[in-house]
Amino acid sequence: DGGITQSPKYLFRKEGQNVTLSCEQNLNHDAMYWYRQDPGQGLRLIYYSQIVNDFQKGDIAEGYSVSREKKESFPLTVTSAQKNPTAFYLCASSMSWGYNEQFFGPGTRLTVL
Amino acid sequence: KNQVEQSPQSLIILEGKNCTLQCNYTVSPFSNLRWYKQDTGRGPVSLTIMTFSENTKSNGRYTATLDADTKQSSLHITASQLSDSASYICVVSGRNTDKLIFGTGTRLQVFP
Repeated sequence: DGGITQSPKYLFRKEGQNVTLSCEQNLNHDAMYWYRQDPGQGLRLIYYSQIVNDFQKGDIAEGYSVSREKKESFPLTVTSAQKNPTAFYLCASSMSWGYNEQFFGPGTRLTVL
Repeated sequence: KNQVEQSPQSLIILEGKNCTLQCNYTVSPFSNLRWYKQDTGRGPVSLTIMTFSENTKSNGRYTATLDADTKQSSLHITASQLSDSASYICVVSGRNTDKLIFGTGTRLQVFP
């Protein structure tokens, strides 16, 4: 898991509630990423950030939001607009955008009740 | 469309046996290919990376091969151990994109 931490490990949410997943890294990496993993599918990119105070939509950004106010932190908010939020969420970081040695956190499993 | 396909989807072997996992990709132009190991409920961990000019790379009991002409890669595990039980994910990067293309993974189970 390197120097990336995610919390909580398990998260339960009622329908209609927003929830925020934490991701912190101490690797001094500029770039950070959020992925979603569903059974039988490859990881899909939700959002990425190349540098502090900047972020871009990935392939499945609808219903999610992020912020990058600090280099070390890249929290992901799953909003009530996300129709099927139950999944395993992975945060990753890399030295810089385009340097694709990505280091992954341990993941957060979100379940919507 | 850039895609990465892995086979088999799942594999069961006995401890001590060898096995080979396959990865085919259509990403072009190609930059590099990685194999990741993902334990259940954990994040993926990189095993090997190969660029266009490399055709084999080892990491302990793991040996990856790459044929850039046929766009195929394999991951060979020698003398499997119970701790090898995990999902193995093939990830390809193209030269014209900064995004990674992930395969769906092969779920390996090693039994005593």
